[in-house]
Amino acid sequence: QAVVTQEPSLTVSPGGTVTLTCGSSTGAVTSGHHPYWFQQKPGQAPRTLIYDTINRHSWTRARFSGSLLGGKAALTLSGAQPEDEADYYCLLVYSGIWVFGGGTKLTVL
Amino acid sequence: EVQLAESGGGLVQPGGSLRLSCVASGFTFSDSWMHWVRQGPGKGLVWVSQINTDGTTTTYADSVKGRFTISRDNAKNTLYLQMNSLRAEDTAVYFCVRLLSDWGQGTLLTVSS
Repeated sequence: QAVVTQEPSLTVSPGGTVTLTCGSSTGAVTSGHHPYWFQQKPGQAPRTLIYDTINRHSWTRARFSGSLLGGKAALTLSGAQPEDEADYYCLLVYSGIWVFGGGTKLTVL
Repeated sequence: EVQLAESGGGLVQPGGSLRLSCVASGFTFSDSWMHWVRQGPGKGLVWVSQINTDGTTTTYADSVKGRFTISRDNAKNTLYLQMNSLRAEDTAVYFCVRLLSDWGQGTLLTVSS
């Protein structure tokens, strides 16, 4: 089974910009991996932010954007807010098998 | 409004079995691929299994393949996860997820003697 890698932790200043990445042990991440991004705050169920690489849900704030960057999937947060402090997970698919990354703990400080 | 209500969690001994259920409402259940995702205490998310709209196609994570079975009853708007040969490492909150977009609140399974 493939391994999906994320930065364990990142820090961003309020109002700042940060990019979280999602890599694959099998090589470059492509749109064929259908990257998803999820946000999870303590004690809550996860919330889906981005699907199929770049698509926001109706509830996803516009400051979150998804892309492919340097062979990885990426989630960029532009204009970080204190309420964006959370764990973020990416998810990739490999021939019908989905694999989560280990998650990135984002601190807004 | 999409609602997903998981139930069936609890305390089970190693080697035991349990069936989780997820009752869906607020959308056309029979049109949606469904997933189970779990999260161990203090750990990250782990995808467990998915099922297509009519239940004819299922896939599983290696860690549960051969022990867990996902199924659905579209007439009852209900998703199931039959879990056999349970191990301590299966201890987790289990989430029911619609189209990898809408999440339930989860049900806790504890495997311990």
